[in-house]
Amino acid sequence: DTGVSQNPRHKITKRGQNVTFRCDPISEHNRLYWYRQTLGQGPEFLTYFQNEAQLEKSRLLSDRFSAERPKGSFSTLEIQRTEQGDSAMYLCASSLVGLAGDEQFFGPGTRLTVL
Amino acid sequence: AQTVTQSQPEMSVQEAETVTLSCTYDTSESDYYLFWYKQPPSRQMILVIRQEAYKQQNATENRFSVNFQKAAKSFSLKISDSQLGDAAMYFCAYRREMGYGGATNKLIFGTGTLLAVQP
Repeated sequence: DTGVSQNPRHKITKRGQNVTFRCDPISEHNRLYWYRQTLGQGPEFLTYFQNEAQLEKSRLLSDRFSAERPKGSFSTLEIQRTEQGDSAMYLCASSLVGLAGDEQFFGPGTRLTVL
Repeated sequence: AQTVTQSQPEMSVQEAETVTLSCTYDTSESDYYLFWYKQPPSRQMILVIRQEAYKQQNATENRFSVNFQKAAKSFSLKISDSQLGDAAMYFCAYRREMGYGGATNKLIFGTGTLLAVQP
């Protein structure tokens, strides 16, 4: 197991297009988080899954954003009708309850550029 | 709501010297965790060190140690014998005490400190 993976690593799109990102967590990690990081800022929480259930969504997550985690394994984050303000690094993290104090392990991120 | 503040946008240190990065936070909770994460350029974020709020003893991991002042809500990171590989963005983060059931354990990050290491 090589850790959390995210695809694609980079995505350039035009305003108004839809994009989808994928996150593959560490095997058997039952918790999965999405964060967004804009230039010069720390990551901000977007949403959280425990197994397949989406248990919390940030107010940052507008109606154009949707996340899924079917079967409690990989997760996808879709942004519809992208706007220039959506340009950011989207980070995924996973953790296992009871392991190392529920330490979150981060993926390399997907950098989105909206033109 | 909890907040994390890092007042040093950039810091610089000479190789082999010691540097301290500052972090303050605000919370009304008594049980929580504090973290320092390292984010090298174009690489993924990794955990440097963790401190449980109920522990009075400051956490240490090799060359990295913290000064945790709970009453002052201060959590600084000291890097000793700085190495070129320490150059990165460092984020201070807060997390509530581990929630069981469905409670979220989201991390709340500061804005980061960019550390440069001079040879």
